[in-house]
Amino acid sequence: EVQLVESGGGLVHPGGSLRLSCAASGFRFSDYSMNWVRQAPGEGLAWVSYIDSSSGAIYYADSVKGRFTISRENAKNSLFLQMNSLRDEDTAVYYCARGTVNSWHYFDSWGQGTRVTVSS
Amino acid sequence: DIVMTQSPLYLPVTPGEPASISCRSSQSLLHSNGYTYLAWYLQKPGQSPQLLIYLVSNRASGVPDRFSGSGSGTYFTLKITRVEADDVGVYYCKQALQAPTFGQGTKLEIK
Repeated sequence: EVQLVESGGGLVHPGGSLRLSCAASGFRFSDYSMNWVRQAPGEGLAWVSYIDSSSGAIYYADSVKGRFTISRENAKNSLFLQMNSLRDEDTAVYYCARGTVNSWHYFDSWGQGTRVTVSS
Repeated sequence: DIVMTQSPLYLPVTPGEPASISCRSSQSLLHSNGYTYLAWYLQKPGQSPQLLIYLVSNRASGVPDRFSGSGSGTYFTLKITRVEADDVGVYYCKQALQAPTFGQGTKLEIK
């Protein structure tokens, strides 16, 4: 069974940093691209970032470009999101989501999410 | 960015009745390879989103055949033949021709 478990969320002041992790199991992690998707309180879904299976292709939403860094460690079946210069508007539940072999065409498995609150 | 627009945003349905959700994109989602990158997701109350439909009309694993997707170009539809209580939640369309963007969501509730 595919499992994705996020961790690392919490309360942080504006301008602060946080590192999210996503532990994957139940599938060959190194074969799949991965994504981060967020959902602000009471709002819809917003894609944040994408990384292909070998970290050769990385993309970000304009809203986080230059502040967030996605990475992965295939040997440890782990996905990360380093978030710097956090703003109030980054407050959201952050989900990791499995993409297809090397694209973002659809996300077939999602974690339970980790909550990030940016507030002074 | 490609803008995705769903309608209606709120959909009350009587159990056993059909339901339909529309999704329009601001530009065609047809790739030069012939594929159209439109997917549908359902987020049940208190849960993470789950994939329902990909590439316009392909049901994800385990999705009942009551759910079907159709459309082309810029206009897409998700249909449920007979709504059940377990179908409540927010439905999102998503394009993946370019950097993924989601529709605003359609909240389906049982009357």
